[in-house]
Amino acid sequence: GAGVSQTPSNKVTEKGKYVELRCDPISGHTALYWYRQSLGQGPEFLIYFQGTGAADDSGLPNDRFFAVRPEGSVSTLKIQRTERGDSAVYLCASSFQGAGETQYFGPGTRLLVL
Amino acid sequence: KQEVTQIPAALSVPEGENLVLNCSFTDSAIYNLQWFRQDPGKGLTSLLLIQSSQREQTSGRLNASLDKSSGRSTLYIAASQPGDSATYLCAVNNNDMRFGAGTRLTVKP
Repeated sequence: GAGVSQTPSNKVTEKGKYVELRCDPISGHTALYWYRQSLGQGPEFLIYFQGTGAADDSGLPNDRFFAVRPEGSVSTLKIQRTERGDSAVYLCASSFQGAGETQYFGPGTRLLVL
Repeated sequence: KQEVTQIPAALSVPEGENLVLNCSFTDSAIYNLQWFRQDPGKGLTSLLLIQSSQREQTSGRLNASLDKSSGRSTLYIAASQPGDSATYLCAVNNNDMRFGAGTRLTVKP
């Protein structure tokens, strides 16, 4: 596609539920990144994929968070047993090959956990 | 751990003024530094990327400088316009990208 797309744009869920957030990177980009942005803060790195594999998942806050990219294109961020503190905007970005390149961001998914 | 700080947190100027946004970082071992713009409720738009070997980059009314040894970057906006109103984020890249909290700019007509 022309840019990075993310779905849904907004997600409201109840504490304890499971959610999946989807990212479609720019076609041909091998690197994909997930970030979380809380109100008034800059984005916080979560995980970086190079192709199908997670090259760096050091930013995932705990084992409730998991992400996959099975075919090296679309990625899904999965959050189990959601907590109110998980409420944030989840941003996805992609770059052509990887570290050191311009990252192109999607519009984000705004997650609200009630 | 890389820490990125942006000063000021918010800035309000009249239209036409030239202005400077500041970014500092603690670990100088970076691949590059990138300045982004973020409009309310939107994703990030890349403005300028400076590689670690470069000292500055220019695009239109924007000029970004990098002093890696001192851990500083500035974003200079010339002849500001109301359409420049947004949050400006600085991000440093050394394997993963670390962002500052941003400077919220308002340009008043």
